[in-house]
Amino acid sequence: AQRVTQPEKLLSVFKGAPVELKCNYSYSGSPELFWYVQYSRQRLQLLLRHISRESIKGFTADLNKGETSFHLKKPFAQEEDSAMYYCALSLSGSARQLTFGSGTQLTVLP
Amino acid sequence: DAGVIQSPRHEVTEMGQEVTLRCKPISGHNSLFWYRQTMMRGLELLIYFNNNVPIDDSGMPEDRFSAKMPNASFSTLKIQPSEPRDSAVYFCASSFPGKHEQFFGPGTRLTVL
Repeated sequence: AQRVTQPEKLLSVFKGAPVELKCNYSYSGSPELFWYVQYSRQRLQLLLRHISRESIKGFTADLNKGETSFHLKKPFAQEEDSAMYYCALSLSGSARQLTFGSGTQLTVLP
Repeated sequence: DAGVIQSPRHEVTEMGQEVTLRCKPISGHNSLFWYRQTMMRGLELLIYFNNNVPIDDSGMPEDRFSAKMPNASFSTLKIQPSEPRDSAVYFCASSFPGKHEQFFGPGTRLTVL
């Protein structure tokens, strides 16, 4: 069965410092990977997906099939980046359900 | 569009009582998902529907939990009888046909005393 692991429950960095939120997955096929974000008092929302290879709010994530990782990175963290971040995996094919990691609470300190 | 709508936003009940959570997906979405969020276990998929039909309910913790989707614009998640360990935030999400991106509701915070 597929599994998503986010090893850090809590992560604190100072404003302007680089940040990396780790995500590892286990799945034998070709998954689609996503990062979702939940800001305080807001809904969970899609941040980015690996197939788009885009940068959203300065965040990027590269799928590394060899290491089965999809780490989220930003070179200079901002206070407004403080939020809960979830890595999620969707299986290829017709199934559309997501398997979420346990989440990482990022706090960017002033 | 108001997005996915959930009600109530907060529910406090006593152990043994029946709890019904409601969800209205975004119009045009044909997949609907129910999740439970806790500090210990994060986000867990409970059940999902495709075109109003339950596809995978393997995440439903026990028989006390049941979910229905009588039509494309409404779904319920029922817990009967409720227990303190059911206390969590329950999210509903929906998605377009053939798309992976899910749109989440604001959640219902359930407290069972």
